[in-house]
Amino acid sequence: GENVEQHPSTLSVQEGDSAVIKCTYSDSASNYFPWYKQELGKRPQLIIDIRSNVGEKKDQRIAVTLNKTAKHFSLHITETQPEDSAVYFCAATSSTGNQFYFGTGTSLTVIP
Amino acid sequence: GAGVSQTPSNKVTEKGKYVELRCDPISGHTALYWYRQSLGQGPEFLIYFQGTGAADDSGLPNDRFFAVRPEGSVSTLKIQRTERGDSAVYLCASSSSGGAEEQFFGPGTRLTVL
Repeated sequence: GENVEQHPSTLSVQEGDSAVIKCTYSDSASNYFPWYKQELGKRPQLIIDIRSNVGEKKDQRIAVTLNKTAKHFSLHITETQPEDSAVYFCAATSSTGNQFYFGTGTSLTVIP
Repeated sequence: GAGVSQTPSNKVTEKGKYVELRCDPISGHTALYWYRQSLGQGPEFLIYFQGTGAADDSGLPNDRFFAVRPEGSVSTLKIQRTERGDSAVYLCASSSSGGAEEQFFGPGTRLTVL
């Protein structure tokens, strides 16, 4: 089955700086890669996703890049704000969407 | 509209007992997923329903775990003979039609097995 690895496990940045979180996956059939944000005690919420037919997607301060050859994808947050502090999870799934495999999470702290 | 809801929010039980966890997906969503999230970990896939049928139950850890969705809406995750290692947050998610699309998560049920 799919194996998704996520790094780093913790990340601290100064407000206004950029944050980058990286994930790798093992199954070349995976073609959908969502990123979820989970605040303490809350449910995961989708912040951005990317499909394998594109290499990059951007939504305001958030962007995701995908390298299918290397089987890795990254989340980029620019101009970080304290409210960006949360745990971020990457995930991967095949086109059937039967199973979503999540990374172990990155705890991001934005220091004011 | 209403999001995914789960009940109870917290469940404390004793080792060896039986528990049921309920999930109400977003109305009209045909796909429903159950996950288990341990502290400091990402959600771990358990089972996926498409309509009333379990399309993929390969994530269920053993035969103590079972889930149903008899009318294609509400789903119940059932755990028999609970063990302390079952303690975790159980998350439910639904999506419009399944496949590679956004999943909407419920708030989870925190299960504690004493």
